[in-house]
Amino acid sequence: EAQVTQNPRYLITVTGKKLTVTCSQNMNHEYMSWYRQDPGLGLRQIYYSMNVEVTDKGDVPEGYKVSRKEKRNFPLILESPSPNQTSLYFCASRPGTASNQPQHFGDGTRLSIL
Amino acid sequence: DAKTTQPTSMDCAEGRAANLPCNHSTISGNEYVYWYRQIHSQGPQYIIHGLKNNETNEMASLIITEDRKSSTLILPHATLRDTAVYYCIVRVAPSNTGKLIFGQGTTLQVKP
Repeated sequence: EAQVTQNPRYLITVTGKKLTVTCSQNMNHEYMSWYRQDPGLGLRQIYYSMNVEVTDKGDVPEGYKVSRKEKRNFPLILESPSPNQTSLYFCASRPGTASNQPQHFGDGTRLSIL
Repeated sequence: DAKTTQPTSMDCAEGRAANLPCNHSTISGNEYVYWYRQIHSQGPQYIIHGLKNNETNEMASLIITEDRKSSTLILPHATLRDTAVYYCIVRVAPSNTGKLIFGQGTTLQVKP
């Protein structure tokens, strides 16, 4: 089954403790992206990657890092999490930017930073 | 990407067709119309997309006006499980960033 898998689904942690949210897709998609969703603000893009070793900032990249060492994985790294990063996070993938094909989203990761 | 306008909320009776409108009056020639929905706090689910022609798949139909300034998503026989927030998104394709701009969407409540 084609899918985007995020882990963990839920995490409560404390300020400053590094964490990584993993994202994996099994569709051989070139493009992957991370969004965060906050009440009243909708979904906002954090980072995106057009292919292996190619990443770029989205609209709200501060406090986040990403890597794309292999096509299927696109982890989101919070080096020193802060309470304002408490949010619902979604990873998405699609075949490539030179395509009108839709993005497929994971089920989300709810992060609470205390 | 062009801005979209959708009603904040709509109700629909179970078993009836749900018609969700979207206005995108500033759409340009290479922008596609995409529809997604989000059930509670799950990941956005792709429904359908189109450029000029009407489209239909197993989930829904998309009707785009001839001038492309508006579109309607049709769920032919709404069920309680179709209760969700529906997003109409206009995006250039191909796109450098691939970013989807989600507005506030339409909250569809399907009632028994």
